[in-house]
Amino acid sequence: AQSVSQHNHHVILSEAASLELGCNYSYGGTVNLFWYVQYPGQHLQLLLKYFSGDPLVKGIKGFEAEFIKSKFSFNLRKPSVQWSDTAEYFCAVNARAAGNKLTFGGGTRVLVKP
Amino acid sequence: GAVVSQHPSRVICKSGTSVKIECRSLDFQATTMFWYRQFPKQSLMLMATSNEGSKATYEQGVEKDKFLINHASLTLSTLTVTSAHPEDSSFYICSAKLQGSGELFFGEGSRLTVL
Repeated sequence: AQSVSQHNHHVILSEAASLELGCNYSYGGTVNLFWYVQYPGQHLQLLLKYFSGDPLVKGIKGFEAEFIKSKFSFNLRKPSVQWSDTAEYFCAVNARAAGNKLTFGGGTRVLVKP
Repeated sequence: GAVVSQHPSRVICKSGTSVKIECRSLDFQATTMFWYRQFPKQSLMLMATSNEGSKATYEQGVEKDKFLINHASLTLSTLTVTSAHPEDSSFYICSAKLQGSGELFFGEGSRLTVL
């Protein structure tokens, strides 16, 4: 069974600091990769996704993620965070052969101090 | 972007009663919707895949008779928690797949508390 691992459960940082959230998956073969964000009191929103092509993916709000196939990783980055980036971030993966079922990582709660 | 709405957002019920949660795609049609359950401080766990006009596909370990799913139209899927017990208390989230792009859009979630 495929699994998705997010290494950090909680991250606390100050505004303007750089953010990197790790995500590893165990599924082989062709995968689609996603990062979702859940702001306090709001529903999940898609930050960015990777299907194919350039492994460096640009998303909304200044986020980007890099797909490294050899490392089965899809880490999320933002060079300079803002207080409004305080949220929970979920990495998710699906395999086309599995019928587009998304498997989520455990999530990382990010707190940005003003 | 596409909008998915869930109703109710919060529901409290007595043990033994049944609760229905609705998931609607407001501005697009969705032949496939998904139901997830999220426990406190944990990730989303896929419960079932809801297909318009056919039976839902349940994940291993999810009781079909407990969690009834109906996808009667291209814009509505319902999850009914039957004979609810306190251990069913959770946050239930639906998502709808946009035809063409295959992108998923999520509802705001429904928090169920069973007393």
